[in-house]
Amino acid sequence: AQKITQTQPGMFVQEKEAVTLDCTYDTSDPSYGLFWYKQPSSGEMIFLIYQGSYDQQNATEGRYSLNFQKARKSANLVISASQLGDSAMYFCAMREPSSGNTPLVFGKGTRLSVIA
Amino acid sequence: SQTIHQWPATLVQPVGSPLSLECTVEGTSNPNLYWYRQAAGRGLQLLFYSVGIGQISSEVPQNLSASRPQDRQFILSSKKLLLSDSGFYLCAWSVKGLNYGYTFGSGTRLTVV
Repeated sequence: AQKITQTQPGMFVQEKEAVTLDCTYDTSDPSYGLFWYKQPSSGEMIFLIYQGSYDQQNATEGRYSLNFQKARKSANLVISASQLGDSAMYFCAMREPSSGNTPLVFGKGTRLSVIA
Repeated sequence: SQTIHQWPATLVQPVGSPLSLECTVEGTSNPNLYWYRQAAGRGLQLLFYSVGIGQISSEVPQNLSASRPQDRQFILSSKKLLLSDSGFYLCAWSVKGLNYGYTFGSGTRLTVV
């Protein structure tokens, strides 16, 4: 079964508008970490934001915020004031504790295109 | 500060030829190391990961192998490449622990012809 689901293969947003990229996850473990990465056309993977399952507040990093709804098992990425440089693939990922060495499980990604 | 080096950046290899991709990490010790493959426009597929020297976990049975001869060195190999091995290969490292994500290398774009 898919552990990370990103239901939007592609999204368009107007420059300077906000956009929400969806991510739902599946785990029975109470302790886990959620991550978002950005992959521009160059291929590099850039870490954006992290949310721990026990964090009381939604994570924020500059223009990025994570809308964490634990009961719904969703961890949507919100990008405010979109810029042309935000056009990229965005991946949601989860890490479950086990020994703390468990690999990240990635979703299939959402391609965001910012329109001028 | 920690850095990760991955090379080469691009590679074109004929079918049946061997492969060796290398990844090294600087500025940390005893990292977790990972190899991922990404087909064009697709998500990341975990190939191998290692939590220590000589310890390799394989996620996908295929004609690829991985080795970790030194603490901060991770090598992806194949004896005979297939067309289906084409893709974008990414190496990554992480600190051990739940709260830590990955730092990725710049990737190798492999085309098997």
